[in-house]
This record gives sequence, C-alpha cells and structure tokens, in this order.
Amino acid sequence: EDKVVQSPLSLVVHEGDTVTLNCSYEVTNFRSLLWYKQEKKAPTFLFMLTSSGIEKKSGRLSSILDKKELFSILNITATQTGDSAVYLCAAITNDYKLSFGAGTTVTVRA
Amino acid sequence: DVKVTQSSRYLVKRTGEKVFLECVQDMDHENMFWYRQDPGLGLRLIYFSYDVKMKEKGDIPEGYSVSREKKERFSLILESASTNQTSMYLCASHPPRAAGNTIYFGEGSWLTVV
Repeated sequence: EDKVVQSPLSLVVHEGDTVTLNCSYEVTNFRSLLWYKQEKKAPTFLFMLTSSGIEKKSGRLSSILDKKELFSILNITATQTGDSAVYLCAAITNDYKLSFGAGTTVTVRA
Repeated sequence: DVKVTQSSRYLVKRTGEKVFLECVQDMDHENMFWYRQDPGLGLRLIYFSYDVKMKEKGDIPEGYSVSREKKERFSLILESASTNQTSMYLCASHPPRAAGNTIYFGEGSWLTVV
C-alpha cells in the first residue's frame, strides 16, 4: 500500500522565522512529488518535483526531492502571517494515481 | 475563472438522510475524484472515475456511492448519512496524464451530520 507521511503535523512560528516541512513516501511506481498550500478552500499547487537534487524555488518557498532516501522538504523563509495554511504533500505514480499525506498545519504569529 | 465547482459548500443533514454532493468541471477532463479531508488524516480517496458511467472504489468507499452520467459531472451520494461522515469533501479533476498544475480541486463541501 502506498504511503506518504508528513512531519510535523503542526507547528507554530513567529513572523520572520524559517520553516522546514518534511514529506517521506513509500510508493510503488513513483513518478513525482507534489506540494500544495490549502487555506480553508481548494488546495493550490506549489511545486512538482520529479528529479532528485534539483531545488525548485518560488519567492520565499523552495523544495527539493531525494529519490534515494524517498523524501522531500519544503522550506519557507522569512515567514509571514499569510503563510499560515495546511501544506499538503502528495506522491503521484506513473499511472497517475495520487496519494496524499496528512498535511502539516503551519501557524505564523505576528 | 472557476474550473471545478462544488455547488453545496455547507450542509447540515440528519442521520439517515440521503445526501447528494455535486461536482462539475468545465475543462473536459476524463478523470474525476472525490476525497474526504479530516484533521490529521489528510485527503483520503473515496471514489474516482476515468470516464462517463465508469467508477472505481478508492481507499474508503464504504457508505458512499457515485454517479457519472455526463463527463463534466461527478456526484457523490451518501445513501444514509451517519455522524461519522461529518467531514469536508473535496472534488478534483485532471486530464489522463496529470501533472501538479493540471490537477484542479473544488472549493470543498463541508458536511455536518447530526
């Protein structure tokens, strides 16, 4: 059975802090790893990672995949209150099936 | 710019009632999905469909059924709602070869069963 595990399940930080979210996976026929941000509505797409060791960046967010150790991290630097959300990680297989982790709830305090 | 629409955003139903959750997408996607999302459990797949009149069970299909009579519409049915089905339900759609930015989610339907 495919499994995606995110840690921590929740964290609280102050504005300006850096946050690192973890996602490990055990997925048969792995294709890519996806990150989403969800703020009380539809998840919005952040990153898709297919190759190991190549960092993807978007503003203060960055992510990298390690296909040997089967994990990915999502970093958020200089956090702002608008970064408060649930961050979802999902693995997609070569036959395009998705498995989601439980999510990490990030709360950024002013 | 709405692409996946879940018509019922907030519902309160009584135990034993039949509940219909509708999802409509305007992107001509073949694949449509129903998930439920609970704190600490993430998104869990209930049912999915790869084409009209086709359906397949996901990880937690018990207590649910689905209907796909038209390509753009995928309905989730709770034949007899129970309190443990109180949850947020998310619909998603994507083309056959999905990438992260081609998977579209609805806004979610918050169901409370009392």
